[in-house]
Amino acid sequence: GQNIDQPTEMTATEGAIVQINCTYQTSGFNGLFWYQQHAGEAPTFLSYNVLDGLEEKGRFSSFLSRSKGYSYLLLKELQMKDSASYLCAVLFNTNAGKSTFGDGTTLTVKP
Amino acid sequence: DGGITQSPKYLFRKEGQNVTLSCEQNLNHDAMYWYRQDPGQGLRLIYYSQIVNDFQKGDIAEGYSVSREKKESFPLTVTSGQKNPTAFYLCASGNRDRAYGYTFGSGTRLTVV
Repeated sequence: GQNIDQPTEMTATEGAIVQINCTYQTSGFNGLFWYQQHAGEAPTFLSYNVLDGLEEKGRFSSFLSRSKGYSYLLLKELQMKDSASYLCAVLFNTNAGKSTFGDGTTLTVKP
Repeated sequence: DGGITQSPKYLFRKEGQNVTLSCEQNLNHDAMYWYRQDPGQGLRLIYYSQIVNDFQKGDIAEGYSVSREKKESFPLTVTSGQKNPTAFYLCASGNRDRAYGYTFGSGTRLTVV
C-alpha cells in the first residue's frame, strides 16, 4: 500500500512552535503537499515539497527528506486560529496527478 | 475570481435514492477529483478525471458514478448501491503546471436517512 502516517492529535500553546511529522512509502514518490482544514470546511493548500530541504512561507515551513520518506510542517508563533487539522498528501506517479492523503493531525492551540 | 463550486452544501436523501452532487470549476484545470471524508479520517479518492470524456476509478468507486462531458464540470452520482453514503464529499481540481496541488470546493455534506 501507500501508507502515510501522521500523529492523530497534538496540542500546543499560543505563541509556541509545533512540528507535525509525516512519514510515507518512498516508492513512486513525486511530491508532498500539506493542507490545512478547519472543522467543517474544505482543505486549503499550505505547501509543496518535491526536493529535499526546507520551504519557508511566513509562519509556516515544510521540510522534506526523500531518502527517509519523511516530512514535517513547522508552525511558528502559534495563533488560536491555527487550531485545525493538517493533512499530509503524497503525489505518487505524476501521470495520474492524484494525491494520497494521511488521516490528518488535529492541532489544538490553547491560550 | 476563479474557483471551484460545489452544490448543494447540505443534502438529505432517503435510503435507496440516487443523488447527484454538482462540481463546477472555472480555473481551466484539466484534472478533477472526488474525495470522500468520514469523521476523523483522511480523504479517500472516489473517481478522478484528467481530460474531458475520460475518468478513472479511485480507491472506493463502488456505488458511485461520474461523467466529464465538459472541462468545467465533474458531477458525482451516489447510487443506491453505495452501502454507507453519509459523508462529507469534496471535489478538487488541479493542473500539471501547479504540480497537481489541489483547489478544493467547499464540500457537500450528504446525509442518508
